[in-house]
Amino acid sequence: QLQLQESGPGLVTPSETLSLTCTVSGGSIISSSYYWAWIRQPPGKGLEFIGTIYYSGTTSYNPSLESRVTISVDTSNNQFYLKVSSVTAADTAVYYCARHHRPYSNWRYVDYGLDVWGQGTTVTVPS
Amino acid sequence: QSVLTQPPSVSGTPGQRVTISCSGSSFNIGRNTVSWYQQVPGTAPKLLIYNNDQRPSGVPDRFSGSKSGTSASLAISGLQSEDEADFYCAAWHDSLNGHVFGTGTEVTVL
Repeated sequence: QLQLQESGPGLVTPSETLSLTCTVSGGSIISSSYYWAWIRQPPGKGLEFIGTIYYSGTTSYNPSLESRVTISVDTSNNQFYLKVSSVTAADTAVYYCARHHRPYSNWRYVDYGLDVWGQGTTVTVPS
Repeated sequence: QSVLTQPPSVSGTPGQRVTISCSGSSFNIGRNTVSWYQQVPGTAPKLLIYNNDQRPSGVPDRFSGSKSGTSASLAISGLQSEDEADFYCAAWHDSLNGHVFGTGTEVTVL
């Protein structure tokens, strides 16, 4: 059974870079029709899509975060990564990684949702 | 700020049927499929509905989804106490080139 696990520092200094790793187990990150995503949830608030990556390295980012976010992948270690630069207290959140099912059908990509999630990791940026 | 709008809360008594609406635009729901997620506080979200009305394996058939134009709905029939959670709709947004979530709806079982 596919499992995802986030890891990384729980406390990040303002203006520094937040770095997280998502380790995929029970299956390969090299999988057609599936992308790999990062999502975050500030305390008491809703879900925010950060971005997504395909095993080939193709990425897509939330425009509101694009200038500070980098998502990368390491197929040899079955991991993908998130970096958020110049963090502030507003970046305090639970960060989730997830598998994003996006098959190509009838000449376009179809979004079938985020079907496997990690348990989430809390990142705090003090004000 | 979310581009998909949901009511902040809905409530019902055990056994009742409740519905949650999700309003979007031609850039998201109007052109793409809708997903729904259930999140029990303190835990990760869980995919409840995909492709507008499909249930992943293991999701009870009490949960059903529908879509019409630029709006979608999630219905929960035979409401149970274990259904208390936050529910989010989501869809691909063409101009933002990303998966966007709704504002979220808290379901309370009275």
